[in-house]
Amino acid sequence: DAKTTQPNSMESNEEEPVHLPCNHSTISGTDYIHWYRQLPSQGPEYVIHGLTSNVNNRMASLAIAEDRKSSTLILHRATLRDAAVYYCILRRDDKIIFGKGTRLHILP
Amino acid sequence: ETGVTQTPRHLVMGMTNKKSLKCEQHLGHNAMYWYKQSAKKPLELMFVYSLEERVENNSVPSRFSPECPNSSHLFLHLHTLQPEDSALYLCASSRRQGSRGDTEAFFGQGTRLTVV
Repeated sequence: DAKTTQPNSMESNEEEPVHLPCNHSTISGTDYIHWYRQLPSQGPEYVIHGLTSNVNNRMASLAIAEDRKSSTLILHRATLRDAAVYYCILRRDDKIIFGKGTRLHILP
Repeated sequence: ETGVTQTPRHLVMGMTNKKSLKCEQHLGHNAMYWYKQSAKKPLELMFVYSLEERVENNSVPSRFSPECPNSSHLFLHLHTLQPEDSALYLCASSRRQGSRGDTEAFFGQGTRLTVV
């Protein structure tokens, strides 16, 4: 399985945008880029996914580099409820393999 | 509420007990997953069922025995566990992907298992 690399932790101020990076230099042409997040004491929650084009939904935006070797999850206006571990995952089949993710701290 | 329900939410069992974890989804999904999450470790994929057939068994010890009687239900049967098996066990479901990866998965809240 192709691997992803994310910073261990990040901090952001409340009500400001957050850009969470992910490197996936060994991505293959059929890998979809997925993002999940896990709030404290809960199961992971789907955030967004994409293949080549940038994607927007009600939770976040996903910016995918032209060569697809990196991507950025964008939270447009962080709230305290966005404090969680964010996972960047490459998915090409039925398996969903999680890495360590980025722990996002939101400062009030 | 994600549409994936796990029971029980908490379980304490002795090393000689036999217990089962249950997962149920009514999202119309046909792939289901068991994950283990130990303290300060990433989620570990244990088993994957696609169309009720086990397609992944990630070197899990035989004291963990999964069962998928239909596409809506998934069980994890536990016997003679060790204290190091104490963890959060998470179930997830998704539409079967085959050779694609373009659908999201939905996770339950998990069962917090303590082996004493």
